[in-house]
Order: sequence, then C-alpha cells, then structure tokens
Amino acid sequence: EIVLTQSPGTLSLSPGERATLSCRASQSVSSSYLAWYQQKPGQAPRLLIYATSSRATGIPDRFSGSGSGTDFTLTISRLEPEDFAVYYCQQYGDSPTFGPGTNVDIK
Amino acid sequence: EVQLVESGGGLVQSGGSLRLSCAASGFTFRTYWMSWVRQAPGKGLEWVANIKEDGKKIKCVDSVKGRFTISRDNAKNSLYLQMNSLRAEDTAVYYCARVGLGTGWAFDIWGQGTMVTVSS
Repeated sequence: EIVLTQSPGTLSLSPGERATLSCRASQSVSSSYLAWYQQKPGQAPRLLIYATSSRATGIPDRFSGSGSGTDFTLTISRLEPEDFAVYYCQQYGDSPTFGPGTNVDIK
Repeated sequence: EVQLVESGGGLVQSGGSLRLSCAASGFTFRTYWMSWVRQAPGKGLEWVANIKEDGKKIKCVDSVKGRFTISRDNAKNSLYLQMNSLRAEDTAVYYCARVGLGTGWAFDIWGQGTMVTVSS
C-alpha cells in the first residue's frame, strides 16, 4: 500500500497570502493518479485537482497542482476567505489511499 | 443536476448489520465505476470499496474484507454497501463517490454522507 504524508499539518495564513501544501508518497505514484480535495466542516470533500495538475470543473485558477514521482504540491496563489479548509491528497496505485490532510486556517 | 444521495445509516450494536444505499441521478450511472469512502469522527478519509460499471469487478480495503459487500443495481441507478459484523472502529460518515471518467481514479462527485455509529 502506498502511504501518503502531508505537510504541514496546519498552515496558518492570512487572506491574500500564498499557500503551498506538500504531499509525499512512500513510493512513486503515476502523475495520472494523484488528486487533491478540499473539505469544509460538515461538508463532503470536493475534487480540486486530478492527474496532478488538471483543475476539476468549476475550480478557480488560483488553485494549481504540480509534482512527480513521490513529491506533489498544491498551491493556492492568493487565499480567499472561502479557501480556509482541510486539503487532502489522494493516489490510486493498487488501491486508493488518502493523505492525513493539511488544515489551512486563518492567521 | 448530478447528484448522489446516501441513506441507511444509523445506530447499531457491535456485531450487527446495516445496508447503505446511494441513489444516483443526473448522469448515466451504468457507465461509471463507483466507490464508498468513509471518515471517522474528526479523522481523515479512508477508501472502503470500488465496483466496476457492470458490477463484475469489486475491490475493498483489507479491514472490511469478509464483512462488507459493495453492489449496484444499474436499472435502479443505485449503489449499496452491505455491512456485517460491525465493529466500533467502523463508526464513520460513509460517502458514496463517483470515479470520474478520465480523471485517473479521482472521485469527482460525492454524496452528502450518511452516519454509521456502532456501539460497543
């Protein structure tokens, strides 16, 4: 099983700042099979990015993804008030697994 | 509108059974792989099981093998999760999720979730 590690666990930033979230895999992941989700309290997760860098339908362009091999990054260029949430990365190798999440909260 | 609506959650004693349902609408259900994903209170996401479009291929996480069964009825646009021999550690919100076409196994549509509480 591929284990995903996310860092930092919590990221405290102000609106307008840039957020950089990291996702590291225990073994190489195909770039076709790495996704990012946003989850707000009491809500279901929402797909943001799939195949490492492709934005899902309706996702604003301030969200971008990059990476390869074992290291992947989600970048939010300028945080909007609605972006404060928990973010999960997910891979599909033999079976889907999720990282533990990064909580982006207001500084 | 593309939508997934789960039902069937509730409170059950350890060792008991529950059957979750997920009603799909707004898309051609029979052409998509489907999954169940769960989230224990205050914890992260855990994939539970997948089922192929025609129901002929399934896969589940090791922790539920032999206890949970995923199935579907394409005529009714519905996905199911039969959960037997429930344990306290199965307590979670259970989400029905669609595997997006061309998304590399990303889950592009999610239901609102149904809560399962297993009391010991």
